[in-house]
Amino acid sequence: GAGVSQTPSNKVTEKGKYVELRCDPISGHTALYWYRQSLGQGPEFLIYFQGTGAADDSGLPNDRFFAVRPEGSVSTLKIQRTERGDSAVYLCASSLGGLESEGNTIYFGEGSWLTVV
Amino acid sequence: AQTVTQSQPEMSVQEAETVTLSCTYDTSESDYYLFWYKQPPSRQMILVIRQEAYKQQNATENRFSVNFQKAAKSFSLKISDSQLGDAAMYFCAYTVDYGGSQGNLIFGKGTKLSVKP
Repeated sequence: GAGVSQTPSNKVTEKGKYVELRCDPISGHTALYWYRQSLGQGPEFLIYFQGTGAADDSGLPNDRFFAVRPEGSVSTLKIQRTERGDSAVYLCASSLGGLESEGNTIYFGEGSWLTVV
Repeated sequence: AQTVTQSQPEMSVQEAETVTLSCTYDTSESDYYLFWYKQPPSRQMILVIRQEAYKQQNATENRFSVNFQKAAKSFSLKISDSQLGDAAMYFCAYTVDYGGSQGNLIFGKGTKLSVKP
């Protein structure tokens, strides 16, 4: 696609439910990132994929959060047993590869706004 | 740990005037990248400008320029001839350059810029 696409754009769920957020990166981009942005804060890193594998998942807050990218393209962020504190905008981004290449830019989607009630 | 600090939660500028947004960071690394991102109400993070730490010359992109002071760990953004469309949240971000592989982006809390007609 032309840009990074995220679905759903908004999701309201009840505490304790399971949620999946989908990210479709720019075609050909091997690197994919998930960030979480709470109200009034900057984005916080969750996980980074290079191809199909998670190169860095150090930002995942706990074992309720999991992400996959089985074919090296679309990624799904999965949140189990949601809590009210999980309410935030979840941003996905992609890039051609590492930042070592000048001009290599990380492109962000518009995010999925998750509200846990 | 690396941190990014934006000390101005809000700034205001008159249309056609110049405004400077401040950013400081803390790191023990010598090779890294710095960025300014713009986030309008649509939530999509848009790259404004990027600076490689090994470059002494300040980056410039049209009306946007930076003042990079490596010793002081300061990275301010200057917007010249401000336009109404510049109104947005601006985030300063940092990532380590691992000589071919990247680290994750660390963001500041953002500065909300208003442009008065």
